[in-house]
Amino acid sequence: DVKVTQSSRYLVKRTGEKVFLECVQDMDHENMFWYRQDPGLGLRLIYFSYDVKMKEKGDIPEGYSVSREKKERFSLILESASTNQTSMYLCASRLNTGNRELFFGEGSRLTVL
Amino acid sequence: AQKITQTQPGMFVQEKEAVTLDCTYDTSDQSYGLFWYKQPSSGEMIFLIYQGSYDEQNATEGRYSLNFQKARKSANLVISASQLGDSAMYFCAMTPERGSGTYKYIFGTGTRLKVLA
Repeated sequence: DVKVTQSSRYLVKRTGEKVFLECVQDMDHENMFWYRQDPGLGLRLIYFSYDVKMKEKGDIPEGYSVSREKKERFSLILESASTNQTSMYLCASRLNTGNRELFFGEGSRLTVL
Repeated sequence: AQKITQTQPGMFVQEKEAVTLDCTYDTSDQSYGLFWYKQPSSGEMIFLIYQGSYDEQNATEGRYSLNFQKARKSANLVISASQLGDSAMYFCAMTPERGSGTYKYIFGTGTRLKVLA
């Protein structure tokens, strides 16, 4: 069964802490994504990676960075967490060909106090 | 500008009945893909169905079908024989299929469906 796994379902952090959200996929997908989901705003793209060590900024990259050292792993980093980064974070992956449907992880709900 | 509009924030349907979730889109791309995703309360986004803009036939996947009307720019999801497990948030999404922007998925704000026993 194909899978995208996010390391933490729920996290609580304090303002100013460094936060790592990890995502691993086992489908050998080239492309990986980090989205943020907030009520009434739908999904917004934070960063996209089209291959190892390659990344593109999405719509809301401010306050975030990413790392993709291996094909299967894509990490989202909050250098100094702030309360406005309290949200649901969704990782996704896809092939770069075909229908290009996204395969999502279960999400990581982050609360910054 | 690319945009997805889902005008129904919430809907109810009786178990075993069919329901249509509306989605309209706006794009200047000639080639694009349309998707529907289901998000149960657990949080995971589950892919349901895909329609390519050049596909002449409406897509079907089991109880899901996509009513694609290109001239009206609509891509409504039809769920037949609703089940209690269909209660979830449903998102319509679109992406260009050519060019450098194929990673730019546009998502609607979602429709919350509640199936009644």
